Amino acid sequence: DSGVTQTPKHLITATGQRVTLRCSPRSGDLSVYWYQQSLDQGLQFLIQYYNGEERAKGNILERFSAQQFPDLHSELNLSSLELGDSALYFCASSPLVGINTDTQYFGPGTRLTVL
Amino acid sequence: DQQVKQNSPSLSVQEGRISILNCDYTNSMFDYFLWYKKYPAEGPTFLISISSIKDKNEDGRFTVFLNKSAKHLSLHIVPSQPGDSAVYFCAASFGNEKLTFGTGTRLTIIP
Repeated sequence: DSGVTQTPKHLITATGQRVTLRCSPRSGDLSVYWYQQSLDQGLQFLIQYYNGEERAKGNILERFSAQQFPDLHSELNLSSLELGDSALYFCASSPLVGINTDTQYFGPGTRLTVL
Repeated sequence: DQQVKQNSPSLSVQEGRISILNCDYTNSMFDYFLWYKKYPAEGPTFLISISSIKDKNEDGRFTVFLNKSAKHLSLHIVPSQPGDSAVYFCAASFGNEKLTFGTGTRLTIIP
């Protein structure tokens, strides 16, 4: 158990809908990352938050947005869903305290299926 | 542009033998490298890491080697055990920024 929790585990929805994925980082970790893993693909970085502020952005679509709240949990919002958005969405957290030492710990993921 | 590449999608190794998983990268700015193991229906689990100032890091049965001039990373598992069967991802970062992952190698340990 990494200490990172994600809810829900599974989500099935229809095209055009909007969903929210939730992540609680490990106790004490200030940084949260979101990744997408599509079928037979590696993990693609979407976005990073550090202590409530956006820190880095990756291949995140404009239809997607995220935020990190004062209690450090994070939510990833996906809107106007398309079939191609079906994927595993992972959240990771890290303390972000050192240089060349920061390890990210991953949650179990949310499997999103868009029908 | 795939900056981190794992060219072997799969690898089968006899139990007790050495498993060697390889990873190549193109971005010379990367300064921290990690290996993750992933079982089906679970998130990636951190396995071992290495900073660019080192060329080897060992943790029990797992050793990671870094060849900066060749931009090559490898993970050695000795001896291989059935529980090591999983998908292994290498990842790289610089300046504590986002991780860039390879596409993974599925390792199967044959009893």
